[in-house]
Amino acid sequence: GDSVTQMEGPVTLSEEAFLTINCTYTATGYPSLFWYVQYPGEGLQLLLKATKADDKGSNKGFEATYRKETTSFHLEKGSVQVSDSAVYFCALIPYNFNKFYFGSGTKLNVKP
Amino acid sequence: EAQVTQNPRYLITVTGKKLTVTCSQNMNHEYMSWYRQDPGLGLRQIYYSMNVEVTDKGDVPEGYKVSRKEKRNFPLILESPSPNQTSLYFCASSPARDRGSGANVLTFGAGSRLTVL
Repeated sequence: GDSVTQMEGPVTLSEEAFLTINCTYTATGYPSLFWYVQYPGEGLQLLLKATKADDKGSNKGFEATYRKETTSFHLEKGSVQVSDSAVYFCALIPYNFNKFYFGSGTKLNVKP
Repeated sequence: EAQVTQNPRYLITVTGKKLTVTCSQNMNHEYMSWYRQDPGLGLRQIYYSMNVEVTDKGDVPEGYKVSRKEKRNFPLILESPSPNQTSLYFCASSPARDRGSGANVLTFGAGSRLTVL
């Protein structure tokens, strides 16, 4: 069945460090891929998305590239800030749109 | 403003006392869903609905009921709450368009924190 696997956290980085959060998926056909972010005390909100192979989603300095050959959608940011501290969820919708599938979430702590 | 509204935001109740968490969206979305979030377990889907009068079980439906009588509303009903249903609940909605359109983005409510004693 369809699924999303992302690296376990928490991830602790110093401000201005490089961030990578790994996400791999299992799905038939060509799913749409997403990263959602949950700031403390809030609901989830869309960070970025990609709908086809080799697409790059980007927002707020974060990027992720849809890699069909490695079934991956890793989240990256070149220089994290304290305000990026949050929980990040990787997600997919299968090509037939029956439901959304979420990874388990990765908590990011950024220290000054 | 386009949004998903959940109520109540916080609730403390006792075992066995029926409760309903309401969810309403103003975006004319076809798809609506309920999730629960627990420490170490991530986000788990309870029920979802592809349209009015169409609902399906998610990963953890036991102890919950839902209904979709109108497009905008998708209430979550706990007929006889138990302590293991203490959790943070999220409602979310999305259009249900062709996969390639890029329109299928989930919009989440702010969450409802439920404590069952």
